[in-house]
Amino acid sequence: DAGVIQSPRHEVTEMGQEVTLRCKPISGHNSLFWYRQTMMRGLELLIYFNNNVPIDDSGMPEDRFSAKMPNASFSTLKIQPSEPRDSAVYFCASSLSTGSHEQFFGPGTRLTVL
Amino acid sequence: AQSVTQLGSHVSVSEGALVLLRCNYSSSVPPYLFWYVQYPNQGLQLLLKYTSAATLVKGINGFEAEFKKSETSFHLTKPSAHMSDAAEYFCAVSTGGATNKLIFGTGTLLAVQP
Repeated sequence: DAGVIQSPRHEVTEMGQEVTLRCKPISGHNSLFWYRQTMMRGLELLIYFNNNVPIDDSGMPEDRFSAKMPNASFSTLKIQPSEPRDSAVYFCASSLSTGSHEQFFGPGTRLTVL
Repeated sequence: AQSVTQLGSHVSVSEGALVLLRCNYSSSVPPYLFWYVQYPNQGLQLLLKYTSAATLVKGINGFEAEFKKSETSFHLTKPSAHMSDAAEYFCAVSTGGATNKLIFGTGTLLAVQP
């Protein structure tokens, strides 16, 4: 298996622009997680899905952030409009919803908002 | 509710010395526990996990961790540090129940001096 795939790996955009991050989970995994990592705040869980349904979005910072999972093999995290404080590394992870819940992480998307 | 405390945000050891990274957890049910490693500019990678089998768990790259219920600890050790062990290490806990989130600690940055 190719593991969790994220695109793009790097994104540089200007304040006010829309940003869309993409994630393909491991085939067969039915839970998907979006995290944000910064020096100041560390690793934060933004939202997670079970069987394509959002279960907990309490970590989403504000209404500018939205996430979707239209099918079992694809999810997006959108920021509109983007702000410089959104600059961070965004990780996607997937797991099975049963068993130990071991999560497998993607390589991340490094977002820079100028 | 589950929580994880990692003592020491920065740990420095000499090459060849013992590595000890501390993790204490809080859980109202028997936990599943994990150690993840993050190398610079990469995603999180599973080092090892405890899932209620053997209390001494061996992982990749010579690391191991011991689950001690009486101390609510899951410290990570390696007998002899190598320069390539320099990375950030995260302890995490999951209940393994219906809420399949992982609760991560704040991370410990390990530096290995020559």
